[in-house]
Amino acid sequence: DIQMTQSPSSLSASVGDRVIITCRASQFISSHLHWYQQKPGKAPRVLIFAASSLQSGVPSRFSGTGSGTDFTLTISSLQPEDYATYYCQQSYSSPRTFGQGTKVEIK
Amino acid sequence: QVQLVQSGAEVKKPGASVKVSCKASGYTFTSHYITWVRQAPGQGLEWMGWISGYNGDTTYEQKFRGRVTMTTDASTSTVSMELRSLRSADTAVYYCARVSGFTDVFDFWGQGTMVTVSS
Repeated sequence: DIQMTQSPSSLSASVGDRVIITCRASQFISSHLHWYQQKPGKAPRVLIFAASSLQSGVPSRFSGTGSGTDFTLTISSLQPEDYATYYCQQSYSSPRTFGQGTKVEIK
Repeated sequence: QVQLVQSGAEVKKPGASVKVSCKASGYTFTSHYITWVRQAPGQGLEWMGWISGYNGDTTYEQKFRGRVTMTTDASTSTVSMELRSLRSADTAVYYCARVSGFTDVFDFWGQGTMVTVSS
C-alpha cells in the first residue's frame, strides 16, 4: 500500500497568512494526488485534483504543486472560512489512501 | 446538480450487520463508480472500496474483504454498502462519493451516515 504522510499535522495561522501543507507519498504516484477540505460535521470536498488542477467553484487562493512523491497545497491568503482539516489522497493505485490530515486552526 | 443522499443514522449491536444506501441524482448513474469512505470519531479518512454503476464490478480494500458487500441498483440509481460482523471499531461516519471518470478524484460526496456499534 502507498503511505501518504502530511506535514504538519496541525498549524495555527492568522487571517491573511500564507499557509503551506505538504504531502509525501511512500512511492512514485506521478500526479495522481488530490486535496480535500473537511469542516467539522461535514463531508470532505475536493479542492485540487491531479496535483494542480483547481476544482470548479474553489477560490483561486488555493493551489497545488508537485509530482512524483512530493506535493504541496498552498493557501495564498488564509480566510476565516478556510479553518478546517485538509487531506491529501492518492489515486495511483489501490487501495486508495489518504494522508492523516492537517488541521488549520485560528492563531 | 449532482447529489448523493444517504440513509439515516444506525445503532447496531456487536455482531450485527448494517446496510447504508446512497441515492444518486443529477448525472448518468451508469457512467461512474461510487466509492465508500469511513471516518471514525476524531480520526482520518479510510477508503473501503468501490462499485461500478455500470456493471456492479467491485473492489474492496483488503481489510474489509469478507465483511463488506457493495451493490448497485441502476433502476433507482442507488448504491448500498453492507458491513457484517460489526464491532465497536466500526463506529464511524460512512460516506459515499462519486468517482470522477477522468482523474479518479472523489468529486461529489454524500452527507454521511453515522453508524454506532454498541452493546
